[in-house]
Amino acid sequence: DTEVTQTPKHLVMGMTNKKSLKCEQHMGHRAMYWYKQKAKKPPELMFVYSYEKLSINESVPSRFSPECPNSSLLNLHLHALQPEDSALYLCASSQDPGYNSPLHFGNGTRLTVT
Amino acid sequence: GQQLNQSPQSMFIQEGEDVSMNCTSSSIFNTWLWYKQDPGEGPVLLIALYKAGELTSNGRLTAQFGITRKDSFLNISASIPSDVGIYFCAGHNYGQNFVFGPGTRLSVLP
Repeated sequence: DTEVTQTPKHLVMGMTNKKSLKCEQHMGHRAMYWYKQKAKKPPELMFVYSYEKLSINESVPSRFSPECPNSSLLNLHLHALQPEDSALYLCASSQDPGYNSPLHFGNGTRLTVT
Repeated sequence: GQQLNQSPQSMFIQEGEDVSMNCTSSSIFNTWLWYKQDPGEGPVLLIALYKAGELTSNGRLTAQFGITRKDSFLNISASIPSDVGIYFCAGHNYGQNFVFGPGTRLSVLP
């Protein structure tokens, strides 16, 4: 069982919808991440939160909006997405940002944009 | 930017065989991680390596941090059907984010 929990597991949304992905960890980790993964590809980094502050945005379009309400929660707000945004969205956490603490991944949200 | 290569890209093996795969880079890393990803799930951490030359085991899995710090190796002994999946390596340097390899897809023939 993963210690990083993501909801929902699957999401289908139209291009005009607004939806949110949620992630929760209770390992006391101080860094949380959003990754996007296309089929048969490695995860691609989108955002990094370090001590609840956004520290890295890898040039992600503004239709993706991250939020970190507290040290255990991470959200990704979605609006006006495109079909090419369909992918597996993975949340991860690590003990210390910037250091070599391993990433612990959730099981992801499979997003389909129609 | 830093890039990792994984070899082989995919492999088919008979159940019970040993498996070897590697991850190489043109840059040095201070940490190497190995993950396994099953279909529809997130990557699961298998082994973490923090020191050049380090050899670490996790059950039937053994991984090594290359002496040059530019490569790492993963071996699986006596493969079983549940070893099927994609194996990703990831390298890290202080103050930077993890860099992932493209993955090795393992299929086991019963």
